[in-house]
Amino acid sequence: AQKVTQAQTEISVVEKEDVTLDCVYETRDTTYYLFWYKQPPSGELVFLIRRNSFDEQNEISGRYSWNFQKSTSSFNFTITASQVVDSAVYFCALSVDNQGGKLIFGQGTELSVKP
Amino acid sequence: DTGVSQDPRHKITKRGQNVTFRCDPISEHNRLYWYRQTLGQGPEFLTYFQNEAQLEKSRLLSDRFSAERPKGSFSTLEIQRTEQGDSAMYLCASITLGAGRQETQYFGPGTRLLVL
Repeated sequence: AQKVTQAQTEISVVEKEDVTLDCVYETRDTTYYLFWYKQPPSGELVFLIRRNSFDEQNEISGRYSWNFQKSTSSFNFTITASQVVDSAVYFCALSVDNQGGKLIFGQGTELSVKP
Repeated sequence: DTGVSQDPRHKITKRGQNVTFRCDPISEHNRLYWYRQTLGQGPEFLTYFQNEAQLEKSRLLSDRFSAERPKGSFSTLEIQRTEQGDSAMYLCASITLGAGRQETQYFGPGTRLLVL
């Protein structure tokens, strides 16, 4: 069975601080995909990134960066110099090959960035 | 706007009533997914379609729930005899199935259901 754990339920930071959101996943499959989505108060899930299990290269996109480590089954997300607009719930998700592409989500981390 | 759309955005109903939600996927996307999200939780998979064929249903999809995608384009999710426990956000997502690799699911804005 597959599982995604986001142990941090809520995080509160002050603007311009760096913040890391943790994600740990479980799967026995060798081919899988990891995702991060952002859910602002409006409710719509906004895609941020997708990584496949064969690509452990870290990625940076502006103030966002992702650290994928298969050895610890983690896919952590860091926001550098956080801004108030980053306030949202962030979800990590897992999809395994040959299971129809359905996403298995963690419980989410609610990030609050205060001015 | 060519994103995933859902209708209605909000629905309030009384217990025991039937409700139907609609999802219009991104044009040409052949795969469509339904998820349910309760307060404080991540979305949970309900079912998905490949064109008009419903290929998988979660155990969360009780016999009061039915989903269709009659022409392989839009999809409907109907809940019969609603219960208060059905109150949730219902999310729809779509993708184009690639050459054997996982594509990215793009989500609609969701339908918030409140059962009184």
